[in-house]
Amino acid sequence: SQQGEEDPQALSIQEGENATMNCSYKTSINNLQWYRQNSGRGLVHLILIRSNEREKHSGRLRVTLDTSKKSSSLLITASRAADTASYFCATDSFYGGSQGNLIFGKGTKLSVKP
Amino acid sequence: GEEVAQTPKHLVRGEGQKAKLYCAPIKGHSYVFWYQQVLKNEFKFLISFQNENVFDETGMPKERFSAKCLPNSPCSLEIQATKLEDSAVYFCASSQSTPGNTIYFGEGSWLTVV
Repeated sequence: SQQGEEDPQALSIQEGENATMNCSYKTSINNLQWYRQNSGRGLVHLILIRSNEREKHSGRLRVTLDTSKKSSSLLITASRAADTASYFCATDSFYGGSQGNLIFGKGTKLSVKP
Repeated sequence: GEEVAQTPKHLVRGEGQKAKLYCAPIKGHSYVFWYQQVLKNEFKFLISFQNENVFDETGMPKERFSAKCLPNSPCSLEIQATKLEDSAVYFCASSQSTPGNTIYFGEGSWLTVV
């Protein structure tokens, strides 16, 4: 079953603008990972944030995690047309000993117009 | 290798035929995961391995689906007597250790059952 719920489901912006995507989940987690999927391609790992971390940066990406609200956000600054893709959050839920497999949200489809 | 390698990239099978997909994890990674993506968004966890041992098979359909990871061979996912609803992209992923580590995905194998 889907643990994460991303919003918005679709986002359309102009090049240069920032894009913010949100993800909510239901159970306690060890970590949360964000992935990008270009059309017809595989998943590219972007960032892993652990449950004891609040914020993480990687280049133009910034991820925040609020475990009290069971939510995370992915911010892409100064977006480019090449950022056009679907973005997924995925958590490994903790049930007294995680099996490690990921539970994915349904994704946000980002379209960046030149 | 430095990436998860999946073959074939595309596979077309008639209903009732067998489909077999292969995955070579990143060298040095002990854990292998299989996921099914339908409708271009929802990911379903199928099974995971720790080396050649089944680690978690809670997502595997009870019938027709089987998987193996044998020493010195690519991992495989086999579907007997395929049905139309098996049409999906099947992703293999690997991680060095789990839980709590980055899980890297392959490009996927697109199965179409006609």
